[in-house]
Amino acid sequence: GAGVSQSPSNKVTEKGKDVELRCDPISGHTALYWYRQSLGQGLEFLIYFQGNSAPDKSGLPSDRFSAERTGGSVSTLTIQRTQQEDSAVYLCASSLEGWDRGNQPQHFGDGTRLSIL
Amino acid sequence: ELKVEQNPLFLSMQEGKNYTIYCNYSTTSDRLYWYRQDPGKSLESLFVLLSNGAVKQEGRLMASLDTKARLSTLHITAAVHDLSATYFCAVDSWGGSNYKLTFGKGTLLTVNP
Repeated sequence: GAGVSQSPSNKVTEKGKDVELRCDPISGHTALYWYRQSLGQGLEFLIYFQGNSAPDKSGLPSDRFSAERTGGSVSTLTIQRTQQEDSAVYLCASSLEGWDRGNQPQHFGDGTRLSIL
Repeated sequence: ELKVEQNPLFLSMQEGKNYTIYCNYSTTSDRLYWYRQDPGKSLESLFVLLSNGAVKQEGRLMASLDTKARLSTLHITAAVHDLSATYFCAVDSWGGSNYKLTFGKGTLLTVNP
């Protein structure tokens, strides 16, 4: 079946511009996660959505980052006024529920490689 | 704050040899995950270890979990070139209202002919 789908796969933009990254989870998965991967910081958690519940934004690195999930399915991660340190691969994952289904792994998309010039 | 440490970070092996990657974590958890990542690709789930003493095997890879020692191992038997990749362990936890995985830095495995 279809996996986690992310778009765009690559994004190059100038410092100061806004970017929007999209994630379409596996059908039936109610939990959705955003992570980012960079050489310096490794894999970092950003935010978790469980169904339609309002997320805890404490994992986002700054107030320039925001995320939403519409209808409990597709999610967008928005970065405003991008900075060079935002350059990274942004990974989305989904799973069956969250904690209650910890016996199921999180399934990751191919990521969006974001480069800020 | 949960910390997950892997060692070694770099591992160069000859085909046919055995080796073990270690994953230590700092707080109590009964669940540990191993992932594989090929260059430029995403993370592929290898194993989910759910309890103390859990052991899982797939092909030339075997993973185990000792929750009392807060240690998981990924053992590679008779390595082949196709196993060359980066291997990550991860532990799940709650941080505030966030359910998340905390990853180790990864072990870059290179299997040489």
